[in-house]
Parts: sequence; C-alpha cells; structure tokens
Amino acid sequence: DAKTTQPTSMDCAEGRAANLPCNHSTISGNEYVYWYRQIHSQGPQYIIHGLKNNETNEMASLIITEDRKSSTLILPHATLRDTAVYYCIVKGSGDDKIIFGKGTRLHILP
Amino acid sequence: DTAVSQTPKYLVTQMGNDKSIKCEQNLGHDTMYWYKQDSKKFLKIMFSYNNKELIINETVPNRFSPKSPDKAHLNLHINSLELGDSAVYFCASSQVSTGGIGYTFGSGTRLTVV
Repeated sequence: DAKTTQPTSMDCAEGRAANLPCNHSTISGNEYVYWYRQIHSQGPQYIIHGLKNNETNEMASLIITEDRKSSTLILPHATLRDTAVYYCIVKGSGDDKIIFGKGTRLHILP
Repeated sequence: DTAVSQTPKYLVTQMGNDKSIKCEQNLGHDTMYWYKQDSKKFLKIMFSYNNKELIINETVPNRFSPKSPDKAHLNLHINSLELGDSAVYFCASSQVSTGGIGYTFGSGTRLTVV
C-alpha cells in the first residue's frame, strides 16, 4: 500500500505557482520522498526526490518539513503542459520497487 | 533516442489468444520492471528483473510470463488472454546498484482484449 496521502485533485491558474502537498507521517529515516507525474496517455515521469533538505531542479522544487512528515512539490510557473496526475512516493534506498498511490490530478487553467 | 521503448504501442486481440509485449532500454540500467495500469488508472507493479534475474513477482497469474534475454530487454508474454487483462502495460528501468534514484518509464502498450 502507498505510504502517502495526497488531495484527489487541484486547480492552478496558468503562470502561477502550483503547490502540491503530500503527507507521509510514517516515513522512516532512510526513506526518500519522490515525485513523479503522468501526463495523459504517457508513462510516468520522474520529477524530483529528496531526503531531508529542500531540493530544486529544472522542473520543480521540493520542500520537506523538518519532521519529514509532509512535503510540497512546487511548480514555479505552471503551464498547460503541466496538467497531469502527480504522485508522491516514499521509498527506501534498499526498496526494490516504487508503489504508486492515487496521486493528485492537477488541472492548469488558462 | 528513446530511453525505454515498448512495442507494440497498441494491441487488440481476442480472448484466448497468446500475445507478447517487448521492452528495450538503452540506459545501461541493471533493473527492469513491468507495471499494469487498469481502467481505474491504478499503477501496480507486476514483475522486476535485476541483471536477468527475477526479483519481484507480485501475485500475477501464471498466464503472464516475463522473459529477460539480457539486461537491456524485458519481454512480457501473456497466454490465454482474458477480458480483464485489458489495460495499459508500462515497462520501466532503473539502476538499482547506485540507489535506483529515478525510474524511467516507457510510453506504454495499450492492450485491449475483445
């Protein structure tokens, strides 16, 4: 079973920052937080991951709370092409598989 | 260059037939996976192979048989297809030996059993 809780859906206006929350209150010390997204009719795409510190790459930023029980994925300037299902996943470095939950369906509105 | 490629992209077949889906990755990863996404859009892992060795088999019916001729290929053969096998099947790969940071997925094979 997935170890994370996410809202079912969210809307965001084009050009604004999209902030996607995720709760992972049972996360263990050696488990990372990963974010993937799935655009309609495509395979899932890796976005970003982190352990304790905040992370940023060309796609997004990941903010992890100090107690590591929740995190937020930030798409700084959302475009229509960011409309997708976003999955927050907790995975240990020794785990041999990714378990997907239901994710958050993000709609970017023009 | 496509990192993880699956063929065919679409497959329509009758119940009872046997079919195969092929997957190839050119990333040099040591582990490959098959995931199934059903009509409710849940993504579930089916199999995982590490360097040609089966390491995950998630209670999948025996009609499904993965085969990995080398670490760059993982094929999925399905015998006696049933209506409930209709789904999108995704292949993925990762480099587990260095922590398996990010999985790279293929674009999927949409299987329709009629």
